[in-house]
Amino acid sequence: ILNVEQSPQSLHVQEGDSTNFTCSFPSSNFYALHWYRWETAKSPEALFVMTLNGDEKKKGRISATLNTKEGYSYLYIKGSQPEDSATYLCAPPPDSNYQLIWGAGTKLIIKP
Amino acid sequence: NAGVTQTPKFQVLKTGQSMTLQCAQDMNHEYMSWYRQDPGMGLRLIHYSVGAGITDQGEVPNGYNVSRSTTEDFPLRLLSAAPSQTSVYFCASSYSILDTGRDTQYFGPGTRLTVL
Repeated sequence: ILNVEQSPQSLHVQEGDSTNFTCSFPSSNFYALHWYRWETAKSPEALFVMTLNGDEKKKGRISATLNTKEGYSYLYIKGSQPEDSATYLCAPPPDSNYQLIWGAGTKLIIKP
Repeated sequence: NAGVTQTPKFQVLKTGQSMTLQCAQDMNHEYMSWYRQDPGMGLRLIHYSVGAGITDQGEVPNGYNVSRSTTEDFPLRLLSAAPSQTSVYFCASSYSILDTGRDTQYFGPGTRLTVL
């Protein structure tokens, strides 16, 4: 089972500020990492899938980068808005038994 | 496409009762899985299936059974409910887990289960 760590566990950010958080994963045998956004009382929804070292993906004010050699991915949110409040999950590819193991997530709270 | 559907949305059980949580997808996805979500613990994998007729245990399988007789359906059965199984349960599917793990997971709306 691949060990995924996300930090920080939670984050309070003032509306309008930018922020970022981290997903760490084992760098050996890497081939993909997924970011999901999970709003309270809803289901997780896909944001990005990242596959190449140095990859950068962007969706509006949210972007992500990937470093497969050192085993981390950053998620950035520029100019945070209240609707960005959610838990952001990362998941590496499945292990050799096809189990998908998720990070515990970073809970982002935007203060107006 | 309805995507991934789950029923019921809410359920209250008494300790010792059994029940089945239903999950269905209409996207012809090979891979399906069940997770439970508890406060501060993220998503924990209960059982998963890489195709019809094939199921396997995840991180927290005790107290749960699954079957996958068709591609579309993946029910989760609680054998004898316990208060520790109070949780929110999510079903998810993806086209295939067997290539390079690039496939997006699609989640159902969740079932909130309380065991008294």
